[in-house]
Amino acid sequence: EPEVTQTPSHQVTQMGQEVILRCVPISNHLYFYWYRQILGQKVEFLVSFYNNEISEKSEIFDDQFSVERPDGSNFTLKIRSTKLEDSAMYFCASSDLARHIQYFGAGTRLSVL
Amino acid sequence: AQRVTQPEKLLSVFKGAPVELKCNYSYSGSPELFWYVQYSRQRLQLLLRHISRESIKGFTADLNKGETSFHLKKPFAQEEDSAMYYCALSEGETSGSRLTFGEGTQLTVNP
Repeated sequence: EPEVTQTPSHQVTQMGQEVILRCVPISNHLYFYWYRQILGQKVEFLVSFYNNEISEKSEIFDDQFSVERPDGSNFTLKIRSTKLEDSAMYFCASSDLARHIQYFGAGTRLSVL
Repeated sequence: AQRVTQPEKLLSVFKGAPVELKCNYSYSGSPELFWYVQYSRQRLQLLLRHISRESIKGFTADLNKGETSFHLKKPFAQEEDSAMYYCALSEGETSGSRLTFGEGTQLTVNP
């Protein structure tokens, strides 16, 4: 069964550094999402992406964040200047046009030191 | 704004006992409700959605619009049901809508 793939599984970075989290959505899916989960808290929506542009973003998704689909397969989340409070598990998800079901990757654990 | 509440962070039952994981929501429109499950060290995966009206792994959930609830039930819990369960809501049957998650309930089924 096809899966959403995320790399790396764990990223450690220094405060103020830029990080790029990578995702390969399921190949025939057209909607892509990023969510995050701070330890002990709920899963929170960050952004959705369709037809090469952001379709919706939350208040968390400020100017420090950006998303890109640089080629036909990858979907990336960039954090420009990481803060301690960006430490979290980041989940990528994708869905197709018909079924509205979001399929999740295994997540990238981001640790900002 | 939409909100999902799962009042129990932890739930522990014995194998063979009935289990009910509670979920309440607030949303002014017609939501679509889901249950996602996360087994130990695995990814979030869809368990069931209200419009499918399916029973998956013996679990069922009925959307009660009057009580704004979508509780997950299973008549006889199994040890392999131990996992984290998340209730989630999206804004109707529209592709691309965000999911709003509850806090999650950690279910432990004891032998």
